[in-house]
Amino acid sequence: AQKITQTQPGMFVQEKEAVTLDCTYDTSDQSYGLFWYKQPSSGEMIFLIYQGSYDEQNATEGRYSLNFQKARKSANLVISASQLGDSAMYFCAMRLYSGTYKYIFGTGTRLKVLA
Amino acid sequence: AAGVIQSPRHLIKEKRETATLKCYPIPRHDTVYWYQQGPGQDPQFLISFYEKMQSDKGSIPDRFSAQQFSDYHSELNMSSLELGDSALYFCASSPTSTASSYGYTFGSGTRLTVV
Repeated sequence: AQKITQTQPGMFVQEKEAVTLDCTYDTSDQSYGLFWYKQPSSGEMIFLIYQGSYDEQNATEGRYSLNFQKARKSANLVISASQLGDSAMYFCAMRLYSGTYKYIFGTGTRLKVLA
Repeated sequence: AAGVIQSPRHLIKEKRETATLKCYPIPRHDTVYWYQQGPGQDPQFLISFYEKMQSDKGSIPDRFSAQQFSDYHSELNMSSLELGDSALYFCASSPTSTASSYGYTFGSGTRLTVV
């Protein structure tokens, strides 16, 4: 079965600290992409970071980094130096290809950054 | 930079009414995807179009239909609305490039409330 699992419904982090949001995935495909999206209370989905299944190095985008452990099928998002504006829902997603691209989303983790 | 435009942003309809949601993809993006996100849930794939033809179908009810027009904009038509159709409806677009590492570009969503 193809599935994304986010086991943390909610997380708190102190401002300026780092936080790790967990994501595990399940697929038998060899080629896939892993994404993290941020959804603030306003509702829009904002792309954060991407990791390809063949990428050997962990992806980084500014304060975001993706801890990719292929053997464990995990793709955790690390946010360094948390800011109040990071408070949002975070979705891990897997992109698969079977003629067209399709995304499977996890159930999300709600992050609250405390001042 | 131009983004994915969805209209309307908010829509309130009564049960059994119909609704039409519109999506204007980023220029030169020829693939459009529709997602439904219920309250507190992860986005669920509904349907996608490539070059004006349906390319994939997810959990879209028979009461819903969609199409992509010659200018690549897409419309999601929803009939016989039910209370359970209340959700945030996202449109996303992408080019067909298989090398894209930036995932979908989502619109800001249309929040449909059925009363």
